[in-house]
Amino acid sequence: NAGVMQNPRHLVRRRGQEARLRCSPMKGHSHVYWYRQLPEEGLKFMVYLQKENIIDESGMPKERFSAEFPKEGPSILRIQQVVRGDSAAYFCASSPQPNTEAFFGQGTRLTVV
Amino acid sequence: QKEVEQDPGPLSVPEGAIVSLNCTYSNSAFQYFMWYRQYSRKGPELLMYTYSSGNKEDGRFTAQVDKSSKYISLFIRDSQPSDSATYLCAMTLRLGGATNKLIFGTGTLLAVQP
Repeated sequence: NAGVMQNPRHLVRRRGQEARLRCSPMKGHSHVYWYRQLPEEGLKFMVYLQKENIIDESGMPKERFSAEFPKEGPSILRIQQVVRGDSAAYFCASSPQPNTEAFFGQGTRLTVV
Repeated sequence: QKEVEQDPGPLSVPEGAIVSLNCTYSNSAFQYFMWYRQYSRKGPELLMYTYSSGNKEDGRFTAQVDKSSKYISLFIRDSQPSDSATYLCAMTLRLGGATNKLIFGTGTLLAVQP
């Protein structure tokens, strides 16, 4: 059973470009969470999704950020018009049920130049 | 005040020492408590998971929860250099709560010296 798969592992974007981060949850997991980790800070919750539904997006910036988890395929975190402050490690986690053990992927490290 | 407070360290100990890592929290609604280990430039790895007060043991690791004091701990016995990593506490509301997100501490950087 493969773990949570994130790609790409490293992503470099120029200011103003779009960043797309992908997450394939563990087999049998229908709950996906995205977190952002800034240097010297802990992980901060961004969004919680189930298949085709956004359940909790209270941690998502109101502008430029969006997330989806379609019926088929991976969950996507999309950042439009990236700025330098978006540079961070973005982690995806999945769980079989809400409020139960969440297993994390290896993260995507976004660098905005 | 942050919802979860964790001493960032760094904490340096000799090999074989007992390590104590701690977090305090302010929200008494938290019911599920986890400890994650994160190696440099890797994703967090779940170490321990508990939902009740008391102790839970797994090999060299013991997780302790004191809900009355809003305090959780992770003890590592016979620490090894391979335990050198950042340890993150995390917690969340009870099942069926209004939110399902994990609230993390900032992590404690541990270095075990050979």
